Amino acid sequence: EADIYQTPRYLVIGTGKKITLECSQTMGHDKMYWYQQDPGMELHLIHYSYGVNSTEKGDLSSESTVSRIRTEHFPLTLESARPSHTSQYLCASSEFRTGREANTGELFFGEGSRLTVL
Amino acid sequence: GDSVTQMEGPVTLSEEAFLTINCTYTATGYPSLFWYVQYPGEGLQLLLKATKADDKGSNKGFEATYRKETTSFHLEKGSVQVSDSAVYFCALSVRGGGNKLTFGTGTQLKVEL
Repeated sequence: EADIYQTPRYLVIGTGKKITLECSQTMGHDKMYWYQQDPGMELHLIHYSYGVNSTEKGDLSSESTVSRIRTEHFPLTLESARPSHTSQYLCASSEFRTGREANTGELFFGEGSRLTVL
Repeated sequence: GDSVTQMEGPVTLSEEAFLTINCTYTATGYPSLFWYVQYPGEGLQLLLKATKADDKGSNKGFEATYRKETTSFHLEKGSVQVSDSAVYFCALSVRGGGNKLTFGTGTQLKVEL
């Protein structure tokens, strides 16, 4: 069973507020990800990390920022929320393996944080 | 670049009907292929995977075969249940790509009694 947790599950907030979505995993995984899932269900990678002090931009440009100070935590922050940020945000983690058998592709997902900005 | 194309939903079936959800891909390298499932109100979970051509992934009665010649990975189940109602995502990961998954747009399945 996957052990990856996201808080809050639901957040309704006004424009201009700063928000942080928390993500924690207890599996010791090096790699972590944030996906944005739009109302049409499509998933877009917005941030990922190979390990502590590593953060990379994903395929979809995002105004959010992330940090990776500890292996188990990968919080996402929006400094000034806008209605266009309304979405579901999914955090995931995976083992990071190098070599020929790399990329098993099994990501473990949290239950998501649904953000609504009014 | 890498991409995954899934059949559009929603797909509505009666219980015990046969299910096929089509998935085709384009990839710059030699990909591993996956199906993930998202039940209502939950995150995604891995349903099955295949890492090389002609491999068949299977789980919970679902199957998909990695067809390199047709660049496809269609999901099938012989007899669906109401509990299979969910959104299904096809995805690929290319070796050397650092475990980054490219997802299809998702196909919503609704199974009715």
